[in-house]
Amino acid sequence: GENVEQHPSTLSVQEGDSAVIKCTYSDSASNYFPWYKQELGKGPQLIIDIRSNVGEKKDQRIAVTLNKTAKHFSLHITETQPEDSAVYFCAANPSGSYIPTFGRGTSLIVHP
Amino acid sequence: DAGVTQSPTHLIKTRGQQVTLRCSPKSGHDTVSWYQQALGQGPQFIFQYYEEEERQRGNFPDRFSGHQFPNYSSELNVNALLLGDSALYLCASSFGSQQETQYFGPGTRLLVL
Repeated sequence: GENVEQHPSTLSVQEGDSAVIKCTYSDSASNYFPWYKQELGKGPQLIIDIRSNVGEKKDQRIAVTLNKTAKHFSLHITETQPEDSAVYFCAANPSGSYIPTFGRGTSLIVHP
Repeated sequence: DAGVTQSPTHLIKTRGQQVTLRCSPKSGHDTVSWYQQALGQGPQFIFQYYEEEERQRGNFPDRFSGHQFPNYSSELNVNALLLGDSALYLCASSFGSQQETQYFGPGTRLLVL
């Protein structure tokens, strides 16, 4: 089955800095990669996703990049704000599967 | 547009008891998936329901069962509760040709004593 590794487990940045979270996956057939943000006491919220036929996708301050050859993908957050503080999860869906395999999460702390 | 809703928000049970958790999918969605999230971990897939049938199941024992109703809402039942079942239980819904795009509810926090 699919295995997703996520690093770092904790990331502390100053407001206005950029933050990068990296994930690797094992199944080369995976073709859908969502990212979720989970705030304390809430369920995960989909913030951006990318499919395997695209190398990069941006949405305002958030971007995701995908390297299929190396089987890794990354989340980039620019101009971080305190409200970006949360746990971020990457996930990967194998081809033909509707079920994502999640990484262990990254706790992002943005200091004012 | 109502998102995914779950009830109850919190629940305390004792070992050996049974529990039922409920989920209403996002408006227009027809598929419901259930996940267990232990503290400090990512969500682990339990099972998925589509057209009132279990379509796929993760690596969870038969103590975990579910049901989907004609209105697409769903229940998760856990029998013979163990201390290790304490977790946040998440429901996610999706629709049609974009089944892989899942939207999560706020979860039910279950504590087993």
